[in-house]
Amino acid sequence: KNQVEQSPQSLIILEGKNCTLQCNYTVSPFSNLRWYKQDTGRGPVSLTIMTFSENTKSNGRYTATLDADTKQSSLHITASQLSDSASYICVVSSPLDMRFGAGTRLTVKP
Amino acid sequence: DTEVTQTPKHLVMGMTNKKSLKCEQHMGHRAMYWYKQKAKKPPELMFVYSYEKLSINESVPSRFSPECPNSSLLNLHLHALQPEDSALYLCASSHRGGLAGDTGELFFGEGSRLTVL
Repeated sequence: KNQVEQSPQSLIILEGKNCTLQCNYTVSPFSNLRWYKQDTGRGPVSLTIMTFSENTKSNGRYTATLDADTKQSSLHITASQLSDSASYICVVSSPLDMRFGAGTRLTVKP
Repeated sequence: DTEVTQTPKHLVMGMTNKKSLKCEQHMGHRAMYWYKQKAKKPPELMFVYSYEKLSINESVPSRFSPECPNSSLLNLHLHALQPEDSALYLCASSHRGGLAGDTGELFFGEGSRLTVL
């Protein structure tokens, strides 16, 4: 069964600190993996999209990694800001399916 | 700012009302989607329109009726809803049509917050 699991469910960090969010998946065959940021009550906004051949992709302070062999991805946030407080959703696609993870709720405190 | 526009942002309706949610994009995308999202849950796919034709209907109750008048517009008609239908309804679009996983980047709207009394 195609699944996407994210950890942790929630995370609280202090402003300026780094953090890493995890995404493990069983979706097969693999097409791409996307990370989205969703502020409360708003639509998700794309951070990165990674295909099979890509190991690392950065978008400002966000860096996503992909290990297609172990079917794991991570999203690393550097020098966190209060505005990083949001849910981060991992979405994994096959040619026939698109699966959303439950998300990690990140809270950045001053 | 998102390039997918949803209206209204908030909607409160009774169970006997008929209302519609609207979505518009001008990016030339050929696929448009409706998702339903409950609090603290990921979005759940409801419908996919590909090249203006309904290509996926995820067993959604008939009280939700999608409509795609043209490639830029997507409506969701609501009738006889239940309180449990209260949720954030998200519209999305993608450049390519076709099946769910091979569509390229998904662009989401801000969502329409629906409350059914």
